[in-house]
Amino acid sequence: KNEVEQSPQNLTAQEGEFITINCSYSVGISALHWLQQHPGGGIVSLFMLSSGKKKHGRLIATINIQEKHSSLHITASHPRDSAVYICAVGGGATNKLIFGTGTLLAVQP
Amino acid sequence: EAQVTQNPRYLITVTGKKLTVTCSQNMNHEYMSWYRQDPGLGLRQIYYSMNVEVTDKGDVPEGYKVSRKEKRNFPLILESPSPNQTSLYFCASRRRFTNGKGYEQYFGPGTRLTVT
Repeated sequence: KNEVEQSPQNLTAQEGEFITINCSYSVGISALHWLQQHPGGGIVSLFMLSSGKKKHGRLIATINIQEKHSSLHITASHPRDSAVYICAVGGGATNKLIFGTGTLLAVQP
Repeated sequence: EAQVTQNPRYLITVTGKKLTVTCSQNMNHEYMSWYRQDPGLGLRQIYYSMNVEVTDKGDVPEGYKVSRKEKRNFPLILESPSPNQTSLYFCASRRRFTNGKGYEQYFGPGTRLTVT
């Protein structure tokens, strides 16, 4: 079993829909990261969370430390949100990142 | 502008021909790392460096070397590339927030390597 599990692996939505991507982890962490990767492009850090909730524009990230679970929400989705969203957790002596395998999101107009 | 740069962005090479992928960051970060990304496997750490002259193996170090002679540079060296090293490679760097809770990670644009 992977230490970081994301669901769903693939997600297709219509423009304007509310989207939720989930991440569960099984290790102790100091922080959880949500990353965005566009096709053929680099990786951008969206959020880093150690507790609670963060919001940036239409993106909201929450984390429940007790349940070892995080969610990434996209409100009023748009085709430009189409990307791979990656959850990663950091911990241990070197704060090494462990990555989920990503969620491929396609938002159709 | 804060950034991590990698070169080259694309490389096609043949088995056994030594190559180096350069990585440089302008944020004075202590920690730098290399990852490879393969379909279905996600990002896996190859090597990391906590500071100048301090490097250590990640999860998949076989077939790779690194060096950290300067704080800003962290090149990845493939002494004798093989087809199973065909992958998308990312360099990353980070600082540490003063509250000790975590850090923000900056990624380079990626290098797509094909070994034939």
